[in-house]
Amino acid sequence: AQSVTQLDSQVPVFEEAPVELRCNYSSSVSVYLFWYVQYPNQGLQLLLKYLSGSTLVKGINGFEAEFNKSQTSFHLRKPSVHISDTAEYFCAVSPYDYKLSFGAGTTVTVRA
Amino acid sequence: EAQVTQNPRYLITVTGKKLTVTCSQNMNHEYMSWYRQDPGLGLRQIYYSMNVEVTDKGDVPEGYKVSRKEKRNFPLILESPSPNQTSLYFCASSALGTDTQYFGPGTRLTVL
Repeated sequence: AQSVTQLDSQVPVFEEAPVELRCNYSSSVSVYLFWYVQYPNQGLQLLLKYLSGSTLVKGINGFEAEFNKSQTSFHLRKPSVHISDTAEYFCAVSPYDYKLSFGAGTTVTVRA
Repeated sequence: EAQVTQNPRYLITVTGKKLTVTCSQNMNHEYMSWYRQDPGLGLRQIYYSMNVEVTDKGDVPEGYKVSRKEKRNFPLILESPSPNQTSLYFCASSALGTDTQYFGPGTRLTVL
């Protein structure tokens, strides 16, 4: 079984400041790793994913994440946020059978 | 436009009154899944289907039924809804071998 822990439930940040959202996972097998974003009143949208290869993954809207196997972490970063990045962010893991396990989510609120 | 659609988007009902939430995708995806989203718990998988006539339980299947008679449709059935099924429900689909799930816009269900 897999589990995902998002270490921050709420992250307030000022516009143009950097942001980091922390995600740790546990699994007895190798997994794929994902970050999804949910804008207010919308469904989930894939930001980025790590399947294999380079541990630094770049996604949409200027986000990137780094996979750290030894620390079983997959932290999400953006060097400069915009008001439009206000959303809820979910870290998820999946073994090779398409079953996604989600973290509880991190709400990012960007203030001017 | 490639998309996953859900109907209805909002539903208020009473305990015990059977209901169905429909999900349809136009991407010819084999894999479809239902999740519920609750505050502080993230998304939890209810049921999933790897193809027509192939369904299996997720993490929280109690009180729900599904069917997959056609590739594009994956309805979620609540035979006797209870207040603890008040939640936000998401349908998702994926092509086998891609590991990226596409989510519908969500159905907000309130059971009184």
